[in-house]
Amino acid sequence: NAGVTQTPKFQVLKTGQSMTLQCAQDMNHEYMSWYRQDPGMGLRLIHYSVGAGITDQGEVPNGYNVSRSTTEDFPLRLLSAAPSQTSVYFCASRRDREWPQHFGDGTRLSIL
Amino acid sequence: LAKTTQPISMDSYEGQEVNITCSHNNIATNDYITWYQQFPSQGPRFIIQGYKTKVTNEVASLFIPADRKSSTLSLPRVSLSDTAVYYCLVAGAAGNKLTFGGGTRVLVKP
Repeated sequence: NAGVTQTPKFQVLKTGQSMTLQCAQDMNHEYMSWYRQDPGMGLRLIHYSVGAGITDQGEVPNGYNVSRSTTEDFPLRLLSAAPSQTSVYFCASRRDREWPQHFGDGTRLSIL
Repeated sequence: LAKTTQPISMDSYEGQEVNITCSHNNIATNDYITWYQQFPSQGPRFIIQGYKTKVTNEVASLFIPADRKSSTLSLPRVSLSDTAVYYCLVAGAAGNKLTFGGGTRVLVKP
């Protein structure tokens, strides 16, 4: 049981490049989320999903796309990377809204 | 979405009890209160969750008054390894829209 797995752990991009951050969970959780965390700050919700085929926007969705074709996977796509998207990205999952979230170890993304 | 307010930082010493209070004045009837711990370079980790009164587990206690407008996380006899950022969350009624505030940086000194 690996929990929530995020890949890659580190990535450097140039402005304008595209990239997909991967997130997979093996706990059969319906709810999955993506957050970004900037230095010294809390986590801000980007997008979330309450089940396969269902996604919705969080606080800071601009510049990011998501899809949820399976229960296990919830990839986050940056279509045209900008320096303002330099951050640490965390993926989380949980069984339902009354259960605590399980977080991955994060992806550190730098955009030059 | 219920907004939360926590102290920015707290200092303590090994063996002391640490109490962190979170304000959430506009908490909704169906909202839960959850606390997470985050170490540098790691994702947040669940500590404790409650709805009302008092909840206790092997690492912490959570006190919630009757009006539920605040909650207090209590860490008994802290050690150096408890140095971390602690987040208070109020579960949004609209599905998965959880709001993380800025958290409280707890520094445990020898």
